[in-house]
Amino acid sequence: DAGVIQSPRHEVTEMGQEVTLRCKPISGHDYLFWYRQTMMRGLELLIYFNNNVPIDDSGMPEDRFSAKMPNASFSTLKIQPSEPRDSAVYFCASTPGQGRYGYTFGSGTRLTVV
Amino acid sequence: AQSVTQPDIHITVSEGASLELRCNYSYGATPYLFWYVQSPGQGLQLLLKYFSGDTLVQGIKGFEAEFKRSQSSFNLRKPSVHWSDAAEYFCAVDIHGSSNTGKLIFGQGTTLQVKP
Repeated sequence: DAGVIQSPRHEVTEMGQEVTLRCKPISGHDYLFWYRQTMMRGLELLIYFNNNVPIDDSGMPEDRFSAKMPNASFSTLKIQPSEPRDSAVYFCASTPGQGRYGYTFGSGTRLTVV
Repeated sequence: AQSVTQPDIHITVSEGASLELRCNYSYGATPYLFWYVQSPGQGLQLLLKYFSGDTLVQGIKGFEAEFKRSQSSFNLRKPSVHWSDAAEYFCAVDIHGSSNTGKLIFGQGTTLQVKP
């Protein structure tokens, strides 16, 4: 298996623009998670899905952020409009079931909003 | 509220020396516990995990960790550090509620520097 695949690896955009981050989880993994990593706040859970359904989005910072999982093999995290404080590394992770399995993380998308 | 604390932000050890990275958690029950490693510019890789049974668990790359319920700790150890172990290490706790859906909560991380 190729692991969790995220695209793009790097994204530089201007403030106010829409940004879409993409994730392909490992086949057969029923849970998908989006995390954000910054120096100030560390790793924060933004949202997670089970069988394509959003379960907990309490970590989504504000309405500018939205996430979808239209099918078992694809998820997007969208920021519209983007702001400089959204600059961070965004990670996607997946797991086959309950937490005891641990999560497999993608390589992340480094987002810079200028 | 549930939390994970890694008291040491930065640790420097000499190559060949032993290593212990500390992790404490705050949670009512015994959670699932994990250690991850992150190399620069990379994602997080699972080193080891504990959810029940033997409190000393072995992981990849020669790492081990010991769960101590009385101290709410899950410290990571390695008897002899290699230069390639230089990275950031994260302790994580899976808060699995009655629904068992789980959420992984991370500590702030410990950056390990290895001196030649």
